[in-house]
Amino acid sequence: GAGVSQSPRYKVAKRGQDVALRCDPISGHVSLFWYQQALGQGPEFLTYFQNEAQLDKSGLPSDRFFAERPEGSVSTLKIQRTQQEDSAVYLCASSSTWGRLGGYEQYFGPGTRLTVT
Amino acid sequence: AQSVTQPDIHITVSEGASLELRCNYSYGATPYLFWYVQSPGQGLQLLLKYFSGDTLVQGIKGFEAEFKRSQSSFNLRKPSVHWSDAAEYFCAVGASGTASKLTFGTGTRLQVTL
Repeated sequence: GAGVSQSPRYKVAKRGQDVALRCDPISGHVSLFWYQQALGQGPEFLTYFQNEAQLDKSGLPSDRFFAERPEGSVSTLKIQRTQQEDSAVYLCASSSTWGRLGGYEQYFGPGTRLTVT
Repeated sequence: AQSVTQPDIHITVSEGASLELRCNYSYGATPYLFWYVQSPGQGLQLLLKYFSGDTLVQGIKGFEAEFKRSQSSFNLRKPSVHWSDAAEYFCAVGASGTASKLTFGTGTRLQVTL
């Protein structure tokens, strides 16, 4: 099983609680992305890591959202003081980034469905 | 800023009929273009991609797509649809030459009638 894995698959949080979502990328993939997919919408970019460096966090909707990838492999997306509008599916993707003519396709995990009540 | 438009929210086709899903993009240079499929409760599966070269690209499950620079389009086609193709389809654009964030369209839901 060499795909991207995410845990938990489902998370219910009460408004105000903190949550942590985990992503295990494909082994050896340098790039890691987080996306948020609201119901009936396409995924929207949140943040991007190259190895352990967070190169782009322009999509994070507020300072309640924080992501890390300390050893350049597993990543965690943390949401503090969850709000109802945070309810969505959070998708993680990884990419090998091996060359000019290809390798940039992103492989997605199954997502974590977060419901804030 | 890059953007993607999928003008058809919902399409219904009969099994065995041909399919074309429309995608228009906006991007300042030559883009990387992708089609993904998402079944209920599942993540996104890559169907095909365009980076450069031949403008007609072949993908998995019998899908193909044609890049038309003059029309800023990257439509997805399949000659004969199977009931198992029912799913949500997303077109996406990324910056060329680098790993970068993807910008997705809002998706087209495909329903297949028997």
